[in-house]
Amino acid sequence: GQQVMQIPQYQHVQEGEDFTTYCNSSTTLSNIQWYKQRPGGHPVFLIQLVKSGEVKKQKRLTFQFGEAKKNSSLHITATQTTDVGTYFCAGLRGGATNKLIFGTGTLLAVQP
Amino acid sequence: EPEVTQTPSHQVTQMGQEVILRCVPISNHLYFYWYRQILGQKVEFLVSFYNNEISEKSEIFDDQFSVERPDGSNFTLKIRSTKLEDSAMYFCASTVRQPFNTGELFFGEGSRLTVL
Repeated sequence: GQQVMQIPQYQHVQEGEDFTTYCNSSTTLSNIQWYKQRPGGHPVFLIQLVKSGEVKKQKRLTFQFGEAKKNSSLHITATQTTDVGTYFCAGLRGGATNKLIFGTGTLLAVQP
Repeated sequence: EPEVTQTPSHQVTQMGQEVILRCVPISNHLYFYWYRQILGQKVEFLVSFYNNEISEKSEIFDDQFSVERPDGSNFTLKIRSTKLEDSAMYFCASTVRQPFNTGELFFGEGSRLTVL
């Protein structure tokens, strides 16, 4: 079945350092979404990417969708303690499916 | 801001007992989902529901699981005979459009199920 892997599993940074998580799918995706889950919380939608090679920015966050639509990345510039949480990518295969498959997640810890 | 609400927030049950988890999706949303997350692990798809029927289900969603929309607001997940491995956080989610048509999922805060 479709698998979506993320690396790293865990990253610990000093506040102000940059952070990147990478997402790789075993199948081509029609779109990819990113969610953030604070400790003890629920996933919260961040963004959706649809086009091959698409890059979107939200303040300090930069999201990229690969040319082959099988991988994606999230980069945070100058992390803050409020960035702490687990970042999940979630991919949708092409075709008539609405089954959004979540990646394995990257837990970000930020030390002040 | 509209939100997805779930009850109970935590349920403890004995193995073999039936459990019903309840969700009230956002009122104008049309697509409903159940996901589960075992502690510290990824968010796993269970089932999607549209137009009063199951759209898709995962291999986890076996005969012990069922979903229902008994009225215009509630969306329930029933586990007929719970097993230890059903212990997890169960998230309900809804969207106004299908994800492949730019529909973000709105998640509830979850129901933690502990099976003893």
